[in-house]
Amino acid sequence: TQLLEQSPQFLSIQEGENLTVYCNSSSVFSSLQWYRQEPGEGPVLLVTVVTGGEVKKLKRLTFQFGDARKDSSLHITAAQPGDTGLYLCAVPSMDSSYKLIFGSGTRLLVRP
Amino acid sequence: SQTIHQWPATLVQPVGSPLSLECTVEGTSNPNLYWYRQAAGRGLQLLFYSVGIGQISSEVPQNLSASRPQDRQFILSSKKLLLSDSGFYLCAWSRGVGGGPDTQYFGPGTRLTVL
Repeated sequence: TQLLEQSPQFLSIQEGENLTVYCNSSSVFSSLQWYRQEPGEGPVLLVTVVTGGEVKKLKRLTFQFGDARKDSSLHITAAQPGDTGLYLCAVPSMDSSYKLIFGSGTRLLVRP
Repeated sequence: SQTIHQWPATLVQPVGSPLSLECTVEGTSNPNLYWYRQAAGRGLQLLFYSVGIGQISSEVPQNLSASRPQDRQFILSSKKLLLSDSGFYLCAWSRGVGGGPDTQYFGPGTRLTVL
C-alpha cells in the first residue's frame, strides 16, 4: 500500500519566517507533485518533480525531490499571509497511471 | 482555456435523502474525471474515476455512485445519505496523457452537510 506521510500536520508562523514541510514514503516514485489548497477551494498544482535530487524554485518556494525519489521537501522563504493554505504532495498510483495518491497535507497559517 | 464547474457550492441535506452533485468540464475533450471527498483540513480520498463515457472505477465501498452520461459530465449520487457522507466533495479532470506525470485540475468543490 502506498503511503505518503506529510509533516508537520500543522504549522503556525509569523510573517517573514522561513519554513520547511516534508513528504516522505518508503516507496520509490517516478514523479511527485505539490499542490496548494486555499480554504474553500480546490487544490492547485505548484510543481512537478521527476528527477532524483531535482530542485525547483517558484519565487519564494523551493522544492526538492530526494536523491532516491522517496521523499520531497518544500521550503518557503520569508512567508507571507498569502502562503496560508493546505500543502499536499501527490504521487502516481502504482496500480493505475490514471490515479494520484495524496498525502494528508500540512496546514500552514502565516500570521500578519 | 479549460474550466471546470461544480454545483451546488453548498448543500445541507437530511439523513436518508438522495444526493446528486454535478461536475462539468469545458474546453477539452475525453478528459479523465475524478471525484474526491475531503474531511475537514485533511487529504483527499479518491471515490471514483472515469477514463471515458460509461466507464466508472470505484475506489471505496460506500453508498455513493457515479455516472458519466456525457464526455465532460460527471455526476455523484446517493439514494440515501448517511451522516458520514458529510464533507467537501471535489471534482477534478486530467488529460490522461500517460507515460508521465498527469496534472489534475480541481473544481471549486461542494460542501455537503448531512443532518
